[in-house]
Amino acid sequence: DGGITQSPKYLFRKEGQNVTLSCEQNLNHDAMYWYRQDPGQGLRLIYYSHIVNDFQKGDIAEGYSVSREKKESFPLTVTSAQKNPTAFYLCASSMGASGGVEQFFGPGTRLTVL
Amino acid sequence: DQQVKQNSPSLSVQEGRISILNCDYTNSMFDYFLWYKKYPAEGPTFLISISSIKDKNEDGRFTVFLNKSAKHLSLHIVPSQPGDSAVYFCAAGYNDYKLSFGAGTTVTVRA
Repeated sequence: DGGITQSPKYLFRKEGQNVTLSCEQNLNHDAMYWYRQDPGQGLRLIYYSHIVNDFQKGDIAEGYSVSREKKESFPLTVTSAQKNPTAFYLCASSMGASGGVEQFFGPGTRLTVL
Repeated sequence: DQQVKQNSPSLSVQEGRISILNCDYTNSMFDYFLWYKKYPAEGPTFLISISSIKDKNEDGRFTVFLNKSAKHLSLHIVPSQPGDSAVYFCAAGYNDYKLSFGAGTTVTVRA
Protein backbone atom coordinates (compact mmCIF):
# COMPACT_ATOMS: atom_id res chain seq x y z
CA ASP A 1 0.00 0.00 0.00
CA GLY A 2 2.06 2.92 -1.32
CA GLY A 3 1.85 6.43 0.01
CA ILE A 4 3.28 9.23 2.08
CA THR A 5 3.15 9.25 5.84
CA GLN A 6 3.67 12.22 8.11
CA SER A 7 3.98 12.09 11.84
CA PRO A 8 2.77 13.23 14.21
CA LYS A 9 -0.66 14.50 13.10
CA TYR A 10 -0.65 17.20 15.81
CA LEU A 11 2.41 18.69 17.46
CA PHE A 12 2.75 21.23 20.22
CA ARG A 13 5.95 23.08 20.91
CA LYS A 14 7.06 25.63 23.42
CA GLU A 15 8.49 28.82 22.07
CA GLY A 16 12.26 28.61 21.61
CA GLN A 17 12.35 24.86 20.99
CA ASN A 18 13.34 23.11 17.79
CA VAL A 19 11.00 20.41 16.50
CA THR A 20 11.36 17.84 13.70
CA LEU A 21 8.49 16.73 11.47
CA SER A 22 8.74 13.33 9.86
CA CYS A 23 7.93 12.49 6.23
CA GLU A 24 8.33 9.03 4.71
CA GLN A 25 7.31 7.77 1.25
CA ASN A 26 7.32 4.28 -0.24
CA LEU A 27 6.43 5.36 -3.77
CA ASN A 28 10.06 5.19 -4.91
CA HIS A 29 9.83 8.86 -5.88
CA ASP A 30 13.01 10.83 -6.48
CA ALA A 31 11.68 14.26 -5.48
CA MET A 32 10.28 15.38 -2.14
CA TYR A 33 8.89 18.71 -0.98
CA TRP A 34 7.81 20.56 2.16
CA TYR A 35 5.02 23.12 2.10
CA ARG A 36 3.38 25.30 4.68
CA GLN A 37 -0.30 26.27 4.60
CA ASP A 38 -1.73 29.21 6.56
CA PRO A 39 -5.44 30.12 6.74
CA GLY A 40 -6.65 31.77 3.54
CA GLN A 41 -3.36 31.18 1.78
CA GLY A 42 -2.12 28.68 -0.72
CA LEU A 43 0.71 26.25 -0.20
CA ARG A 44 4.11 27.89 0.10
CA LEU A 45 7.26 25.92 -0.66
CA ILE A 46 9.77 25.64 2.18
CA TYR A 47 12.39 23.20 0.84
CA TYR A 48 12.62 20.61 -1.91
CA SER A 49 14.91 17.78 -2.89
CA HIS A 50 15.20 16.19 -6.32
CA ILE A 51 17.71 13.55 -5.31
CA VAL A 52 19.27 11.98 -2.24
CA ASN A 53 21.86 14.13 -0.49
CA ASP A 54 20.77 17.27 -2.32
CA PHE A 55 18.13 19.87 -1.47
CA GLN A 56 17.30 23.48 -2.29
CA LYS A 57 15.57 26.34 -0.52
CA GLY A 58 12.05 27.20 -1.53
CA ASP A 59 10.28 30.52 -1.14
CA ILE A 60 10.15 30.60 2.66
CA ALA A 61 13.16 28.59 3.91
CA GLU A 62 14.23 30.95 6.70
CA GLY A 63 13.99 29.28 10.11
CA TYR A 64 13.74 25.76 8.66
CA SER A 65 16.25 23.01 7.87
CA VAL A 66 16.03 19.64 6.11
CA SER A 67 18.08 16.57 5.31
CA ARG A 68 17.80 13.92 2.59
CA GLU A 69 20.01 11.04 3.64
CA LYS A 70 17.64 8.37 2.31
CA LYS A 71 15.42 8.37 -0.77
CA GLU A 72 12.30 7.59 1.24
CA SER A 73 12.78 10.14 4.04
CA PHE A 74 12.77 13.96 4.10
CA PRO A 75 12.49 15.30 7.68
CA LEU A 76 11.86 19.00 8.32
CA THR A 77 13.19 20.79 11.40
CA VAL A 78 11.42 23.93 12.52
CA THR A 79 13.99 25.93 14.44
CA SER A 80 13.55 28.58 17.08
CA ALA A 81 14.57 31.11 14.42
CA GLN A 82 11.23 30.64 12.64
CA LYS A 83 9.22 33.66 13.76
CA ASN A 84 5.73 32.32 13.18
CA PRO A 85 5.87 28.51 13.11
CA THR A 86 2.24 27.74 13.92
CA ALA A 87 0.83 26.31 10.66
CA PHE A 88 -0.23 23.19 8.80
CA TYR A 89 2.81 21.47 7.24
CA LEU A 90 2.50 19.27 4.18
CA CYS A 91 5.04 16.91 2.69
CA ALA A 92 4.82 15.79 -0.95
CA SER A 93 6.70 13.65 -3.40
CA SER A 94 6.87 13.26 -7.16
CA MET A 95 8.70 11.17 -9.71
CA GLY A 96 10.79 14.22 -10.57
CA ALA A 97 13.11 13.87 -13.54
CA SER A 98 12.11 10.22 -14.01
CA GLY A 99 8.67 11.34 -15.21
CA GLY A 100 5.30 12.70 -14.06
CA VAL A 101 4.59 16.21 -12.82
CA GLU A 102 1.97 15.38 -10.19
CA GLN A 103 2.95 15.78 -6.59
CA PHE A 104 1.37 13.42 -4.08
CA PHE A 105 0.75 14.74 -0.59
CA GLY A 106 0.84 13.29 2.89
CA PRO A 107 -1.92 13.91 5.45
CA GLY A 108 -0.10 16.86 7.05
CA THR A 109 1.11 17.86 10.51
CA ARG A 110 -0.54 20.65 12.47
CA LEU A 111 2.14 22.44 14.49
CA THR A 112 1.10 24.76 17.30
CA VAL A 113 3.58 26.86 19.23
CA LEU A 114 2.45 27.59 22.77
CA ASP B 1 4.98 37.84 -5.79
CA GLN B 2 2.13 35.42 -6.39
CA GLN B 3 2.41 33.86 -9.84
CA VAL B 4 -0.82 31.87 -9.60
CA LYS B 5 -4.01 33.61 -8.53
CA GLN B 6 -7.45 32.34 -7.66
CA ASN B 7 -9.48 35.50 -7.29
CA SER B 8 -12.66 33.90 -6.01
CA PRO B 9 -12.17 32.70 -2.42
CA SER B 10 -15.50 30.89 -2.37
CA LEU B 11 -18.18 29.43 -4.62
CA SER B 12 -21.63 28.12 -3.73
CA VAL B 13 -23.47 25.88 -6.20
CA GLN B 14 -26.59 23.78 -6.15
CA GLU B 15 -26.24 20.01 -6.35
CA GLY B 16 -26.45 18.82 -9.94
CA ARG B 17 -25.39 22.14 -11.44
CA ILE B 18 -22.02 23.10 -12.90
CA SER B 19 -19.17 24.45 -10.76
CA ILE B 20 -16.67 26.68 -12.57
CA LEU B 21 -13.42 27.54 -10.82
CA ASN B 22 -11.02 30.06 -12.30
CA CYS B 23 -7.29 30.55 -12.10
CA ASP B 24 -4.94 33.15 -13.60
CA TYR B 25 -1.16 33.03 -13.87
CA THR B 26 1.55 35.53 -14.69
CA ASN B 27 4.60 33.40 -15.57
CA SER B 28 4.62 32.54 -19.27
CA MET B 29 7.24 29.84 -18.57
CA PHE B 30 4.68 27.56 -16.95
CA ASP B 31 4.10 24.54 -19.15
CA TYR B 32 1.84 22.38 -17.06
CA PHE B 33 -1.07 23.07 -14.76
CA LEU B 34 -2.80 20.99 -12.11
CA TRP B 35 -5.89 21.12 -9.92
CA TYR B 36 -5.96 19.68 -6.42
CA LYS B 37 -8.84 19.12 -4.01
CA LYS B 38 -8.38 19.45 -0.27
CA TYR B 39 -10.56 18.60 2.71
CA PRO B 40 -9.87 20.25 6.11
CA ALA B 41 -6.92 18.82 8.04
CA GLU B 42 -5.96 16.53 5.14
CA GLY B 43 -3.39 16.68 2.37
CA PRO B 44 -4.46 17.80 -1.12
CA THR B 45 -5.36 15.11 -3.63
CA PHE B 46 -4.58 15.42 -7.32
CA LEU B 47 -7.61 15.89 -9.58
CA ILE B 48 -6.56 16.67 -13.13
CA SER B 49 -3.75 18.27 -15.07
CA ILE B 50 -3.17 19.85 -18.45
CA SER B 51 -0.08 20.46 -20.52
CA SER B 52 0.47 23.81 -22.21
CA ILE B 53 0.26 22.13 -25.62
CA LYS B 54 -3.42 21.34 -25.01
CA ASP B 55 -6.42 23.56 -24.44
CA LYS B 56 -8.72 20.99 -22.83
CA ASN B 57 -8.46 17.86 -20.75
CA GLU B 58 -11.37 15.82 -19.48
CA ASP B 59 -11.62 13.14 -16.80
CA GLY B 60 -15.11 12.03 -15.85
CA ARG B 61 -16.98 14.93 -14.27
CA PHE B 62 -13.88 17.16 -14.33
CA THR B 63 -12.73 19.23 -17.30
CA VAL B 64 -9.89 21.72 -17.34
CA PHE B 65 -9.65 24.43 -19.98
CA LEU B 66 -6.48 26.37 -20.74
CA ASN B 67 -6.32 29.72 -22.52
CA LYS B 68 -2.62 30.47 -22.92
CA SER B 69 -3.05 33.84 -24.56
CA ALA B 70 -5.10 35.02 -21.58
CA LYS B 71 -2.94 33.11 -19.07
CA HIS B 72 -6.13 31.66 -17.67
CA LEU B 73 -7.40 28.21 -16.83
CA SER B 74 -10.65 26.94 -15.44
CA LEU B 75 -11.98 23.75 -13.87
CA HIS B 76 -15.52 22.63 -14.64
CA ILE B 77 -17.26 20.09 -12.42
CA VAL B 78 -20.45 18.64 -13.89
CA PRO B 79 -22.66 17.66 -12.20
CA SER B 80 -21.66 18.99 -8.78
CA GLN B 81 -22.14 16.55 -5.91
CA PRO B 82 -22.13 17.07 -2.12
CA GLY B 83 -18.77 15.28 -1.85
CA ASP B 84 -17.27 17.98 -4.07
CA SER B 85 -17.49 20.46 -1.19
CA ALA B 86 -13.82 21.20 -0.48
CA VAL B 87 -11.05 23.68 -1.18
CA TYR B 88 -9.67 23.56 -4.73
CA PHE B 89 -6.13 24.67 -5.50
CA CYS B 90 -4.77 25.57 -8.89
CA ALA B 91 -1.04 24.89 -9.39
CA ALA B 92 1.44 25.53 -12.17
CA GLY B 93 5.00 24.49 -12.92
CA TYR B 94 7.73 24.15 -15.51
CA ASN B 95 10.85 22.13 -16.02
CA ASP B 96 12.21 22.29 -12.48
CA TYR B 97 9.29 20.27 -11.09
CA LYS B 98 8.40 22.90 -8.48
CA LEU B 99 4.79 23.95 -8.28
CA SER B 100 3.34 27.37 -7.54
CA PHE B 101 -0.07 27.26 -5.88
CA GLY B 102 -2.99 29.65 -5.82
CA ALA B 103 -4.71 30.60 -2.58
CA GLY B 104 -7.59 28.20 -3.16
CA THR B 105 -11.35 28.42 -3.76
CA THR B 106 -13.75 26.93 -1.24
CA VAL B 107 -16.62 25.17 -2.99
CA THR B 108 -19.88 24.50 -1.17
CA VAL B 109 -22.42 22.27 -2.89
CA ARG B 110 -25.96 22.92 -1.63
CA ALA B 111 -28.57 20.16 -1.56
